[in-house]
Amino acid sequence: QVQLVQSGAVVKKPGSSVKISCQVSGGSFGKSAINWVRQAPGHGLEWLGRIIPFIGSSNFPRRFQGRVTITADKSTTTAYMKLSGLTSNDTAVYYCARLMGVRTTNPEGALDWGPGTQLSVSS
Amino acid sequence: DIHMTQSPSSLSASLGDRVTITCQASEDISTYISWYQKKPGKAPKLLIYGVSTLEAGVPSRFSGSGSGTDFSFTINSLQPEDVATYYCQQYDGLPYTFGQGTKLHIK
Repeated sequence: QVQLVQSGAVVKKPGSSVKISCQVSGGSFGKSAINWVRQAPGHGLEWLGRIIPFIGSSNFPRRFQGRVTITADKSTTTAYMKLSGLTSNDTAVYYCARLMGVRTTNPEGALDWGPGTQLSVSS
Repeated sequence: DIHMTQSPSSLSASLGDRVTITCQASEDISTYISWYQKKPGKAPKLLIYGVSTLEAGVPSRFSGSGSGTDFSFTINSLQPEDVATYYCQQYDGLPYTFGQGTKLHIK
């Protein structure tokens, strides 16, 4: 059974950076993309980007270019999401997830979500 | 970016009712749409992908239809455990985008 295990809740100051981890256990790590999605209080779901660990290729929405860095360590089957230049608007629960791939008909492995990591940004 | 317009934003229905949520894409996304259920304090749960394919273990009272730009998600015979917020998501292209969500209440 595939499990996505995320790092714990964190509090950061405005202007700082945060790095959240997502360890994948019980399944393959490499060819399926690991995505990052967040939900701010009172808001909907927002996609932050993804990485395909096998090739180390990552993609982000334009609005997060330069602020989000996603990496993956195949030796520990762990993906990381670093968010820089934090503001109070970044206070949210951050999820790693396996989603349906772009224009795919069948899932590329189990489609699971991590339990979420609470990030609070406060001075 | 593909914009997903989901409606209604909130919905109140009685137990046993049939409930329908719609999602309109800003451009043709073929059949590349998923639907999620989100409960407070829990990770989103995938219910449907490819318009109408139920994820394993999802009750058959959930269904989806549509193609191109117009899609719908239906719950037949609403149950108490269906109280949640529901989201559509397109995976026709990057960036992935979600609808604004529909918060479902029981009358």
